[in-house]
Amino acid sequence: GIQVEQSPPDLILQEGANSTLRCNFSDSVNNLQWFHQNPWGQLINLFYIPSGTKQNGRLSATTVATERYSLLYISSSQTTDSGVYFCAVRAPSGGSYIPTFGRGTSLIVHP
Amino acid sequence: DSGVTQTPKHLITATGQRVTLRCSPRSGDLSVYWYQQSLDQGLQFLIQYYNGEERAKGNILERFSAQQFPDLHSELNLSSLELGDSALYFCASSVGTESEAFFGQGTRLTVV
Repeated sequence: GIQVEQSPPDLILQEGANSTLRCNFSDSVNNLQWFHQNPWGQLINLFYIPSGTKQNGRLSATTVATERYSLLYISSSQTTDSGVYFCAVRAPSGGSYIPTFGRGTSLIVHP
Repeated sequence: DSGVTQTPKHLITATGQRVTLRCSPRSGDLSVYWYQQSLDQGLQFLIQYYNGEERAKGNILERFSAQQFPDLHSELNLSSLELGDSALYFCASSVGTESEAFFGQGTRLTVV
């Protein structure tokens, strides 16, 4: 099946810093989402971005499907950005589309 | 609030028992997904239903089963529970089979 690798696995920032999270995938996908899992375990939708670039406030994301990667940018980070960021893709497998998550990037933002 | 409702939020049960987790999708969503999140395995896709029919299957154990009812809510049944089944179980829903998915708050299952 498809492999999804996220980097870095861990990231520690001071409040106000910028960061870039990366998601590489091993095969063509027709669906890519970024999620933030907060310290209470809730999975929050950030972007649905199979290709192209989107922005939402301090966050933006870019997916280059032909090169099989996606980037999540966090600017002017805040303590509330802490948590785990997941990339999830959907790729064809045996006639259906299996969702696959990366292992995540764990982000800690210090005040 | 994503609009996806999962019950119960927490469940503690003994090994060998059977439990049922329930999921109500967002209004208008026909597709329901179940995931298991454990510390060592990460977020694992279990199974997907679309409009009452099984659409895709992941790493779901034979002791686990699911179904989607005519009103589109879904249930995940876990039987002969083992300590290793302790995990956070998520349900997600989407309009179609490949569109953006939204997650419920999860059910934290503890097997003792």
